[in-house]
Amino acid sequence: NAGVMQNPRHLVRRRGQEARLRCSPMKGHSHVYWYRQLPEEGLKFMVYLQKENIIDESGMPKERFSAEFPKEGPSILRIQQVVRGDSAAYFCASSQGTENNEQFFGPGTRLTVL
Amino acid sequence: SQQGEEDPQALSIQEGENATMNCSYKTSINNLQWYRQNSGRGLVHLILIRSNEREKHSGRLRVTLDTSKKSSSLLITASRAADTASYFCATLHGGSARQLTFGSGTQLTVLP
Repeated sequence: NAGVMQNPRHLVRRRGQEARLRCSPMKGHSHVYWYRQLPEEGLKFMVYLQKENIIDESGMPKERFSAEFPKEGPSILRIQQVVRGDSAAYFCASSQGTENNEQFFGPGTRLTVL
Repeated sequence: SQQGEEDPQALSIQEGENATMNCSYKTSINNLQWYRQNSGRGLVHLILIRSNEREKHSGRLRVTLDTSKKSSSLLITASRAADTASYFCATLHGGSARQLTFGSGTQLTVLP
């Protein structure tokens, strides 16, 4: 009974490179959420996706960041031309989309930009 | 200030004591959820309380919700060193918004 899976767990990039973060939701879950956590802070919502659709991207920066959840395969959070301020832990959560919307979180990807 | 503020920011207690953490929020909610995060790890879902519920128990955890005061508390009884972690409340609001809004967390340290 695999939970939410994220990879890589740790990612190091130099300024200007691209970062790709992957998330596979729990089996049976079709709703995916991405959150970002800066050191010593709580999680901040970035984007909410269902299969092949972005439902809410109000928390995602307009530039350099994009997300997708294709029909087949994991959800991808892509950060182009990374800057030091992008260094953070990025968490993915999935849910069944029920009224309670209980979300289950992956272990996160820790991005370090040198 | 943001939705879902916890207090205290940090709490240090002896093993066996009870720990109480509080969370306040600003707008109406569908439910409120508490999570635990061990240092450098992911979040573990602890308990969910709906807006029409006032109290909920799960093992050594007790959560209360007061919608009139827009606040919730998490009580951990008979604490253990393994309870040392950051605890976050997260609110799910009504309407079409489906994301959780997290507070900044309470860092709990349980001393052996």
